[in-house]
Amino acid sequence: QLQLQESGPGLVKPSETLSLTCTVSGGSIRSNDYYWAWVRQPPGKGLEWIGSVYYSGSTYYNTSLKSRLTISVDRSNNQFSLSLNSVTATDTAVYYCASQRRSGGYYFDSWGQGTLVSVSS
Amino acid sequence: ETVMTQSPGTLSVSPGEEATLSCRASQSVGTNLAWYQQKPGQAPRLLIYGASTRATGIPARFSGSGSGTEFTLTISSLQSEDFAVYYCQEFNSWPPLTFGGGTKVEIK
Repeated sequence: QLQLQESGPGLVKPSETLSLTCTVSGGSIRSNDYYWAWVRQPPGKGLEWIGSVYYSGSTYYNTSLKSRLTISVDRSNNQFSLSLNSVTATDTAVYYCASQRRSGGYYFDSWGQGTLVSVSS
Repeated sequence: ETVMTQSPGTLSVSPGEEATLSCRASQSVGTNLAWYQQKPGQAPRLLIYGASTRATGIPARFSGSGSGTEFTLTISSLQSEDFAVYYCQEFNSWPPLTFGGGTKVEIK
């Protein structure tokens, strides 16, 4: 059973860069079975897929965020990361990392606990 | 991009009764659909994938059905721990991946 854990600052200033890391345990980030994904949820609202990365480094981004977004993988530390620049208050959300199945369906079968990131001066 | 619409927004149900939640896709997604449960302060939990296959450890009272554009999640005999928000997610058009807006199941 995979376990995922997000880490990073809980407060980011407007126009700056939001950076989060997800540490994967209970399995290898080099697995052929998974993409590694970020999903966010603004307070009181629904879920939004941000983007996904494969251990090879291939990335897939939500087009609405693509111009500000970088997702990368650190195979040596079994981690993957999110960087979102030029943030505004609308980027305030709980950010989840998740394992996304790569075959038999692209759904999320394990999730981190989530981390609240607030954008405020 | 496929738009997923869930109804109703809120469903009031008494414990022990059955709940029926709907998810509609703006275009056919085949059976490429998943359902998640989210309780307050918690991450979503995968319930159903492939429209009708229960994920590991999910009780049999949860069942999914449908194909194409119309999907249903049925929770038979609601237990106290089932009161939560439920989301559908399509994965036919990957990438991207899109979620429905959610249905809150509350105690009547």
